[in-house]
Amino acid sequence: QKEVEQNSGPLSVPEGAIASLNCTYSDRGSQSFFWYRQYSGKSPELIMFIYSNGDKEDGRFTAQLNKASQYVSLLIRDSQPSDSATYLCAAQRGLTGGGNKLTFGTGTQLKVEL
Amino acid sequence: DTAVSQTPKYLVTQMGNDKSIKCEQNLGHDTMYWYKQDSKKFLKIMFSYNNKELIINETVPNRFSPKSPDKAHLNLHINSLELGDSAVYFCASSPPRTGGQETQYFGPGTRLLVL
Repeated sequence: QKEVEQNSGPLSVPEGAIASLNCTYSDRGSQSFFWYRQYSGKSPELIMFIYSNGDKEDGRFTAQLNKASQYVSLLIRDSQPSDSATYLCAAQRGLTGGGNKLTFGTGTQLKVEL
Repeated sequence: DTAVSQTPKYLVTQMGNDKSIKCEQNLGHDTMYWYKQDSKKFLKIMFSYNNKELIINETVPNRFSPKSPDKAHLNLHINSLELGDSAVYFCASSPPRTGGQETQYFGPGTRLLVL
């Protein structure tokens, strides 16, 4: 079992629709969960993170966390063609030597169609 | 101002050669990381240094050796390059750990092609 699992997609949604991206994780010691967006040929850029159960909203993006089910999701409202990218879910746990370890899923490719 | 920078951006080399990739961050962060992203886009941690001390050393061939001369720099040296080393290598950095929500910021990546 992979530590962080995502459906690789592609997930296709029409412009203006809600895109729903899902992720499960296996390490119950994970403290925070991150969503990164990666355009082809570019580096990952942070969209948002969440560490408490429930929802967290930031503009068109809402992250949801359910620690009991070990499930994280990202909703993108009013999807735009510029949202077309690969979305990486990551689980983070602290290390005894300081710093954190971030474990990524394989990413979900999102395509927003005109 | 580039927050996390890497050099070179592209590296094409022959099998068996030795090469280095350099990373620098100007964010004042304590922790730096090296990741490898393979052709299937899977991003995997390789090494991490916190205040110049190695804290993550994943199952990586010992041909790969990281070096952190100071908190702002983390270099990666690869000996005897193999075809399977072809990938994009990302450097990242993060601030000191407080509550576990510290974000990692990624450099632009170094695209390594071994022929």
